[in-house]
Amino acid sequence: AQSVTQPDIHITVSEGASLELRCNYSYGATPYLFWYVQSPGQGLQLLLKYFSGDTLVQGIKGFEAEFKRSQSSFNLRKPSVHWSDAAEYFCAVGSTDSWGKLQFGAGTQVVVTP
Amino acid sequence: NAGVTQTPKFRVLKTGQSMTLLCAQDMNHEYMYWYRQDPGMGLRLIHYSVGEGTTAKGEVPDGYNVSRKKKQNFLLGLESAAPSQTSVYFCASRAPGQPQHFGDGTRLSIL
Repeated sequence: AQSVTQPDIHITVSEGASLELRCNYSYGATPYLFWYVQSPGQGLQLLLKYFSGDTLVQGIKGFEAEFKRSQSSFNLRKPSVHWSDAAEYFCAVGSTDSWGKLQFGAGTQVVVTP
Repeated sequence: NAGVTQTPKFRVLKTGQSMTLLCAQDMNHEYMYWYRQDPGMGLRLIHYSVGEGTTAKGEVPDGYNVSRKKKQNFLLGLESAAPSQTSVYFCASRAPGQPQHFGDGTRLSIL
């Protein structure tokens, strides 16, 4: 069975500082991996995805993530955080069968301070 | 260019009442999904569909039914609402080999 763990429920970061959100997954094979962001009262927006190939993935809004098979991790990073990055971030693992079901982590709430 | 549209956006029900949530997508996607989001639990899959007339159970299907009579619409029904079904419901759709696109959610409260 697939599962996703986001160890940090809540992170506070200063504007302009770097950000790293952790994600660990459990899956029987190489999974499809995703990071989504949710602003208050909104739906989920895709930040980036990993299907195969280069393990360093670039996404929107200046985010990147690195797939590390040996650590079963897919951590999200941003070099310099903006106040607009305050949101909840979800890591998800997708099944590689045709159904493409997603298993989500519990989410990490990011607060950006001036 | 609406994408995925969920109706209604908010609803309050009494225990035992029934209702249907509508998800409509205009991207001609084959796959559609219903999730519920609860604090500290992320999103959990309720039911999903691979095309017209084809549905399957997800992780938390009990108390819900679904219908996909038209490719663009995926309906989620609550036959007899319970307080435990108070949640935010999200619909998503996708094309083969592509990520899921999400609607803005339906906030449902059951008293």
